[in-house]
Amino acid sequence: TQLLEQSPQFLSIQEGENLTVYCNSSSVFSSLQWYRQEPGEGPVLLVTVVTGGEVKKLKRLTFQFGDARKDSSLHITAAQPGDTGLYLCAGTAQGGSEKLVFGKGTKLTVNP
Amino acid sequence: DTGVSQDPRHKITKRGQNVTFRCDPISEHNRLYWYRQTLGQGPEFLTYFQNEAQLEKSRLLSDRFSAERPKGSFSTLEIQRTEQGDSAMYLCASSPQTGFTGELFFGEGSRLTVL
Repeated sequence: TQLLEQSPQFLSIQEGENLTVYCNSSSVFSSLQWYRQEPGEGPVLLVTVVTGGEVKKLKRLTFQFGDARKDSSLHITAAQPGDTGLYLCAGTAQGGSEKLVFGKGTKLTVNP
Repeated sequence: DTGVSQDPRHKITKRGQNVTFRCDPISEHNRLYWYRQTLGQGPEFLTYFQNEAQLEKSRLLSDRFSAERPKGSFSTLEIQRTEQGDSAMYLCASSPQTGFTGELFFGEGSRLTVL
């Protein structure tokens, strides 16, 4: 069973602060995705990383895929209250699987 | 809006009753997925279809659960003889035909409460 562990589980910060969320596994994934979920809604895809060592930027969000394709991080610069939500990492196993495995998520609260 | 739609959004039922959820995927998507999410957890994979074929089922999907996608368009997820442990958000997602990239388009979910 491939597991993705996210840390921290909860994070409460003030507007303007920076933060990093981690997603780790002992398994190799062919790709990793980051989703954001708001209460009462389904997750929405933020980014997909495919290549080991890959870095992608989406405005104030920076995503990195580990060299060994076993871990990923999400860094948010100058967090805003609108960034509040549940951040989920998800992985696609090697071998052509079309099943996404999700971590438990990091619940982020950005206080004004 | 042409996103994934799920119905009903909320369902409260008594233990032992049967419930059915419907999912209408994005029209040009041939892959359809069902996930279950409980409080404080990430979504857990239940099953997925490519067109009308059910290609993978999780061990989480007990004999009381059945999913269908008869014409390769909408799908239904039925839970028979519901138990309190079935209380969860049931999420449906779809993805396009062109190679699996991990990008799933989720609906807003159907929240089930079993009393």
